[in-house]
Amino acid sequence: QIQLVQSGAEVKRPGASVKVSCKASGYTFSTYDMHWVRQAPGQRLEWMGWINVDNGNTKYSQKFQDRVTITRDTSASTFYMELSSLRFEDTAVYYCARQDAFDIWGQGTMVTVSS
Amino acid sequence: QTVVTQEPSLTVSPGGTVTLTCASNTGAVTSGYYANWFQQKPGQAPRPLIYSTSNKHSWTPARFSGSLLGGKAALTLSGVQPEDEADYYCLLYYGGTWVFGGGTKLTV
Repeated sequence: QIQLVQSGAEVKRPGASVKVSCKASGYTFSTYDMHWVRQAPGQRLEWMGWINVDNGNTKYSQKFQDRVTITRDTSASTFYMELSSLRFEDTAVYYCARQDAFDIWGQGTMVTVSS
Repeated sequence: QTVVTQEPSLTVSPGGTVTLTCASNTGAVTSGYYANWFQQKPGQAPRPLIYSTSNKHSWTPARFSGSLLGGKAALTLSGVQPEDEADYYCLLYYGGTWVFGGGTKLTV
């Protein structure tokens, strides 16, 4: 079946970087772009950015423009989201979501920023 | 800064009808904003309900419908069930980027 399986929970220090992966299966990888969305505890969903699976072009939310990098590895059918210069307020669950009306979501990856 | 606004909370009785709205500070929401709606229950990932304003996913119950209403995107639940109690988020497209609303907590 169609699945997006994300990497496991992370604990990072302020100022560090985190890289979350999202492995796609059950469909043709090159067919759908991918979004990244996050949700801090008790807060709203936030759209972070997306990547064109064909050419790797990206578009980011202005809020994360300077700190986020979304990439893909077509040979591994995997997408990545890297967030740098982590702050306490980056503690959140990070999701990947497929660009076909956001129809398929990963299970989420909890990233905790703690000193 | 683009801001998408939803009602913070709404209450509806079982079997009743409720409409949630989604407004943009840039002006009237049109079909070009490709409004999406999601349902989220505690501890779960968002569940997509509606895309491109009014299109349902194969799993979306018939009681959910999407539309444009008075310059806003709208999600209407008709014949509300207790299991519809959840947070609901809209998502709008702004020519290359997307913005979520603040969410509506629906109490049944």
